[in-house]
Amino acid sequence: GDSVTQMEGPVTLSEEAFLTINCTYTATGYPSLFWYVQYPGEGLQLLLKATKADDKGSNKGFEATYRKETTSFHLEKGSVQVSDSAVYFCALVTGGGNKLTFGTGTQLKVEL
Amino acid sequence: GAGVSQSPSNKVTEKGKDVELRCDPISGHTALYWYRQSLGQGLEFLIYFQGNSAPDKSGLPSDRFSAERTGGSVSTLTIQRTQQEDSAVYLCASSPWSGPGTGELFFGEGSRLTVL
Repeated sequence: GDSVTQMEGPVTLSEEAFLTINCTYTATGYPSLFWYVQYPGEGLQLLLKATKADDKGSNKGFEATYRKETTSFHLEKGSVQVSDSAVYFCALVTGGGNKLTFGTGTQLKVEL
Repeated sequence: GAGVSQSPSNKVTEKGKDVELRCDPISGHTALYWYRQSLGQGLEFLIYFQGNSAPDKSGLPSDRFSAERTGGSVSTLTIQRTQQEDSAVYLCASSPWSGPGTGELFFGEGSRLTVL
């Protein structure tokens, strides 16, 4: 079956540091890939997505590139802020539906 | 309201009791999903509704779990004879599309269930 593997957290960074959160996947079909973010006290929300190989999704300074050859979709940001502190979930969907398969989430803490 | 609303936000119950969790999706959203988030685990899919029908209920962990949706709107997830392993955050999400692969779900804040 489909699965998503994320790096374990928490990841603690200083403000303005470079962020990478690794995500790899296995899928029976050709998936679309997503990053969701959950800020403290809020519901999950879509951060960015990519639907085909070599696509780059980007939003709020975050970006991730769909790498089919390495089955990866790593999340990056050049300069994190305290307000980026949240839990980040990598996810995929295959086939004709919208049933997302999620990773376990990676907590990011950004300190001054 | 503007977003997906879930109630109760917090529920503590005794083992063996039944609980009902409610989800109010965004108005007009035809698709509704229930997920479960346990400590240290990812989000686990439970059931998907399109309108009032549930074409995919493959994630319900046992026959103690059931869900319904009425009027193409509100959904209730019922857990009978709760067990301690049912303790988790139950998340509801809705989507305006039934089309494939769009992946944009709008989540509520969840209902945290604790079974003592």
